[in-house]
Amino acid sequence: GQNIDQPTEMTATEGAIVQINCTYQTSGFNGLFWYQQHAGEAPTFLSYNVLDGLEEKGRFSSFLSRSKGYSYLLLKELQMKDSASYLCAVLDSNYQLIWGAGTKLIIKP
Amino acid sequence: GAVVSQHPSWVICKSGTSVKIECRSLDFQATTMFWYRQFPKQSLMLMATSNEGSKATYEQGVEKDKFLINHASLTLSTLTVTSAHPEDSSFYICSARDLSGQGNQPQHFGDGTRLSIL
Repeated sequence: GQNIDQPTEMTATEGAIVQINCTYQTSGFNGLFWYQQHAGEAPTFLSYNVLDGLEEKGRFSSFLSRSKGYSYLLLKELQMKDSASYLCAVLDSNYQLIWGAGTKLIIKP
Repeated sequence: GAVVSQHPSWVICKSGTSVKIECRSLDFQATTMFWYRQFPKQSLMLMATSNEGSKATYEQGVEKDKFLINHASLTLSTLTVTSAHPEDSSFYICSARDLSGQGNQPQHFGDGTRLSIL
């Protein structure tokens, strides 16, 4: 079966750095995506990795290792507005998005 | 960039009412659209995949007769919750698959519809 695992909840301090991990086992791989979702809102796209390595975009970076079936989202200089759920999703061989359950990130002052 | 418009954003209605939610791709053609449901503090759950000009593919446990999906054009899919009951109250989100390669995003999301059945 297809499976994506990420921690249910994480807590971090404003101004700090946090890393959210995601491991996956899917039927094929056509890319891994990270989305941010605030409560009561639709997900918004953060990043896309299809090759191994680190993709940096401002305060957010995403890393992928295809051989390990592993990715992480790194958030730097945390702000209170970063409090949200972060969803890891993999595009499988049928180009279907397989979703993780999401990681709720709580930022404390 | 690619935009998906979902309407209405909020619905409150009595039990037994049927509610229609529209999902439109505004600047690209979407042969495939997806309907998700999300209960409070839970993850997105795919309900069905809607393909233009053909029947929708429903996920296991989703009632076809209760959640009617129509995808009659390349830019519009509708979800009708028939005879809605309080347990159908949820956040419904549509997304559209964009094959044009805009921004490397596989799906563009609507803003969601919050459905509350009294």
